[in-house]
Amino acid sequence: QVQLVQSGAEVKKPGAAVKVSCKASGYDFSSYYMHWVRQAPGQGLEWMGIINPSSGGTSYAEKMQGRLTMARDTSTSTVYMELSSLRSEDTAVYYCARDSPGWYWYYQHWGQGTLVTVSS
Amino acid sequence: QSALTQPPSASGSPGQSVTISCTGTSSDVGRYNYVAWYQQHPGKVPKLMIYEVSKRPSGVPDRFSGSKSGNTASLTVSGLQAEDEADYYCSSYTGNNNLVFGGGTKLTVL
Repeated sequence: QVQLVQSGAEVKKPGAAVKVSCKASGYDFSSYYMHWVRQAPGQGLEWMGIINPSSGGTSYAEKMQGRLTMARDTSTSTVYMELSSLRSEDTAVYYCARDSPGWYWYYQHWGQGTLVTVSS
Repeated sequence: QSALTQPPSASGSPGQSVTISCTGTSSDVGRYNYVAWYQQHPGKVPKLMIYEVSKRPSGVPDRFSGSKSGNTASLTVSGLQAEDEADYYCSSYTGNNNLVFGGGTKLTVL
């Protein structure tokens, strides 16, 4: 069965960077795009970006440009999300979510979420 | 890219039907049939309820249905049950390899 297992919670200081991993199993890793979505406490879902695990190509939400980097390691079926210059507003649960067969921009499979807390 | 517009709250009594709207623009909801709906219970991971405007994943009750007219998509929950009480989010592809979510609607079963 499809599984997406994310790394554990992080506490970071303002200005630092955080890197969250998402290890996929149960399917052909290179055949499905992966997205990152975040949710601030008590707030809604926010799309961050997408990575093509086969080519490594990425596309980021405009507000994340310059601070967000997504990468993948095909040898371990893992995607990474790195957010730099952290501020308090980046405190959120970060999810990886696998795109659908055919790349139709919906997510049936999600990671368990990683809480990132930004605090001095 | 601005978030899609959803009503902050909706409610209905058990057995009733409720419809949640999701309004975008001609560049997202109106242009693409890549609209999805997610249900999220407190502290839980979002669950896909509807994809490609009106398709239901296996395992999702047929009480949940989706539709679209112009720039507005809708999720209808018929025969409301207590376990339907949750937050609901719509999403739409916006072109240029981008996606946007709605602000979310808290559904209360009275």
